[in-house]
Amino acid sequence: AQTVTQSQPEMSVQEAETVTLSCTYDTSESDYYLFWYKQPPSRQMILVIRQEAYKQQNATENRFSVNFQKAAKSFSLKISDSQLGDAAMYFCAYLGPGYALNFGKGTSLLVTP
Amino acid sequence: DADVTQTPRNRITKTGKRIMLECSQTKGHDRMYWYRQDPGLGLRLIYYSFDVKDINKGEISDGYSVSRQAQAKFSLSLESAIPNQTALYFCATSDSKQGPTETQYFGPGTRLLVL
Repeated sequence: AQTVTQSQPEMSVQEAETVTLSCTYDTSESDYYLFWYKQPPSRQMILVIRQEAYKQQNATENRFSVNFQKAAKSFSLKISDSQLGDAAMYFCAYLGPGYALNFGKGTSLLVTP
Repeated sequence: DADVTQTPRNRITKTGKRIMLECSQTKGHDRMYWYRQDPGLGLRLIYYSFDVKDINKGEISDGYSVSRQAQAKFSLSLESAIPNQTALYFCATSDSKQGPTETQYFGPGTRLLVL
């Protein structure tokens, strides 16, 4: 079974600064997909960014980017120019062939003024 | 209108009661999922359905059942609710026609409290 590990239960960043959230996973598959979801206090699960394992180029969405290290099975999320609205729980998730998402336990991000 | 809706949004029930959580989607997706979220545990898969006639158990299906009434509707039932089923429940959908970049879209969640 695939496992997803987020080793940072909580992180804090000052507004306008950069923060990196860590995620590692375990799989024997070669083709898979990785995601970061954001869950604000509203409880809604919002897709932040996704990465296809067969792509070497790291995905980027505006202020959000990933550092995907396939050999190390690492998938970290970098948030640049942090904003108060970025405060939320962040979940890393793995999607293997023909199956549903496996989630990490989440990292709570606090953004301070 | 939201693409994925869940009803009810909040529910309080008593131990032993039967309860149904409903999920509807207007995205035209063929795949639907039910997840449960507990504090500190992330989301865990209860059941998933890849089409109307294909229903599969997930990681934590004991104590739950599902029904895929139509492509757009996927219901989760607790036949006899117990307090440790108190959690936040999410429905999600995805489109297999997206191919390799299949993304799951989540409903707003249902908060269930079992007394």
